[in-house]
Amino acid sequence: EAGVAQSPRYKIIEKRQSVAFWCNPISGHATLYWYQQILGQGPKLLIQFQNNGVVDDSQLPKDRFSAERLKGVDSTLKIQPAKLEDSAVYLCASSPTVQDNEQFFGPGTRLTVL
Amino acid sequence: QQPVQSPQAVILREGEDAVINCSSSKALYSVHWYRQKHGEAPVFLMILLKGGEQKGHEKISASFNEKKQQSSLYLTASQLSYSGTYFCGTESTGSARQLTFGSGTQLTVLP
Repeated sequence: EAGVAQSPRYKIIEKRQSVAFWCNPISGHATLYWYQQILGQGPKLLIQFQNNGVVDDSQLPKDRFSAERLKGVDSTLKIQPAKLEDSAVYLCASSPTVQDNEQFFGPGTRLTVL
Repeated sequence: QQPVQSPQAVILREGEDAVINCSSSKALYSVHWYRQKHGEAPVFLMILLKGGEQKGHEKISASFNEKKQQSSLYLTASQLSYSGTYFCGTESTGSARQLTFGSGTQLTVLP
């Protein structure tokens, strides 16, 4: 079974630039999560999708972050414009359903904002 | 509010045992445990559900005290491969099945 795919693996940008991350969850997994992990901390949930609908985005900084999962499969997370404090690893995870929420994580995208 | 993990770090020799604790101030539905090696994604270890159901790793055990909102992860006869950072993720009752992760416990197993 293929795992959660993410790209790119690394990205370096300057502040005020835009960046987008892509995630393809495990086939058949209805629930998709985006997390931000700052060095030395645990993952922090940004947004949760169930199929193509948003379940919770209360911790997503909506003035600069946006995410979509249009067809209920893969997802894109965008930051526009980026700030220095956005430097982190962005992890995507998926689970079969909301009820069965053992989460499988992708390798992450390490973002550095200069 | 994120759960509190203790200790923050632990160093032990191969074959020794370790306990990692996770405590929450909220009423919990479940506790999840993950291990993350440096530069890699977190890997699922175990889920403990309110009511006593467990699902997870064969060689790692854990407990969940629902009354105290606490969970402990027990690593017995540690192997070198156990090194990494362990995170607990707590799911509060009524939280739409979302996890809030602790800040992690860094475990180092020496030969």
